[in-house]
Amino acid sequence: GAVVSQHPSWVICKSGTSVKIECRSLDFQATTMFWYRQFPKQSLMLMATSNEGSKATYEQGVEKDKFLINHASLTLSTLTVTSAHPEDSSFYICSAPEGGESNQPQHFGDGTRLSIL
Amino acid sequence: GNSVTQMEGPVTLSEEAFLTINCTYTATGYPSLFWYVQYPGEGLQLLLKATKADDKGSNKGFEATYRKETTSFHLEKGSVQVSDSAVYFCASTGGGNKLTFGTGTQLKVEL
Repeated sequence: GAVVSQHPSWVICKSGTSVKIECRSLDFQATTMFWYRQFPKQSLMLMATSNEGSKATYEQGVEKDKFLINHASLTLSTLTVTSAHPEDSSFYICSAPEGGESNQPQHFGDGTRLSIL
Repeated sequence: GNSVTQMEGPVTLSEEAFLTINCTYTATGYPSLFWYVQYPGEGLQLLLKATKADDKGSNKGFEATYRKETTSFHLEKGSVQVSDSAVYFCASTGGGNKLTFGTGTQLKVEL
């Protein structure tokens, strides 16, 4: 079945560094991908919609300059957390719908656990 | 806008017990409804879906029926196993594939 690969699965880095997370659709093309953030024991919060060939659409309250999104191709979207600080520590998950219709399920990556020291 | 409300956890059951996790939604139009499952340290996996009223989604012994009259999509399983221990998320779609999630319900199944 369709698979979404997310890399890396775990990152630990110092405060002030930038971290890039990749999300790839392995056997299908995705013109749209979604980035979520999940705090411990909480639900997923949609951060932004990544659009191939155009700018990402950010949800209210999400800093676009802090969380840079690039949808470089039909199979790859990246999220870069710039100048990361401890409060950015979280579990980040991407997803991609296999088809263009809203009744199609989304395929999720396994998530990236980001820890900022 | 869309919203999804699901019962709070954690839910603790003995193996072979009956499971119900309630989920209700509000939406404009006719959303598609999903249940996703998240095992510890992993991303989400689709468990089942329903795309129109009275549809029943089913998978791995789990079932949920799209009830338009009560705006509900309750998840049920007749006999749970220890391996079913996970967090379960109810979700609906609005326009453009954007998912709205419930808060998640943690299920713990004990021997």
